[in-house]
Amino acid sequence: DIVLTQAPLSSPVTLGQPASISCRSSQSLVHSNGNTYLSWLHQRPGQPPRLLIYKISNRFSGVPDRFSGSGAGTDFTLRISRVEAEDVGVYYCMQASHFPHAFGQGTKLEIK
Amino acid sequence: EVLLLESGGGLEHPGGSLRLSCAASGFTFSRFPMSWVRQAPGKGLEWVSSIGGRGINTEYADSVRGRFTISRDNSRNTVYLQMNSLRVEDTATYYCARRDEYTPYDYWGQGTRVIVSS
Repeated sequence: DIVLTQAPLSSPVTLGQPASISCRSSQSLVHSNGNTYLSWLHQRPGQPPRLLIYKISNRFSGVPDRFSGSGAGTDFTLRISRVEAEDVGVYYCMQASHFPHAFGQGTKLEIK
Repeated sequence: EVLLLESGGGLEHPGGSLRLSCAASGFTFSRFPMSWVRQAPGKGLEWVSSIGGRGINTEYADSVRGRFTISRDNSRNTVYLQMNSLRVEDTATYYCARRDEYTPYDYWGQGTRVIVSS
């Protein structure tokens, strides 16, 4: 089974400053159809997860352009160019290329 | 507007059964695979099960295989999770999510809480 390892697990950030989260996969996430189904989700306390980024670098509908994703193969990164107060919560990477689908452990973003 | 509404959660004893439902609206339900994902209190997300659009192909996490069964009724726009032989470690909020081919897990329900306790 694929294991996704996120770093850091906690990230205190100053408002207006950038933030970056890494996600490393134990195996390639390239699907047999050539796509890489690596997504990033954001979850606020008491809320369901919300899709931010899909297929490594595509922003989902309504997601601000301060969020960006990059990477390939087994190494992926989520970047927030300027953190805003509403960005607090937990960020998860997840892979839907191979069953069983899997999530990273989560990274808690806090404001300093 | 895509909406997913879970129901059926509650308190059950170890060894008991529950059936969760997820009613979908706002899209052509039969065209989309669906999944269940759970989150134990204070913990991260765990994929549980997925089902194809026609209900033929199903997948399960090792932790639930043989105890949980996913199914769907496309005439009712509903996906189900039958949970048998419940264990304390099944305690979690259970979310259903749509698995679009291009944007997997793009929409999620609000979740239904399952508590397994003696």
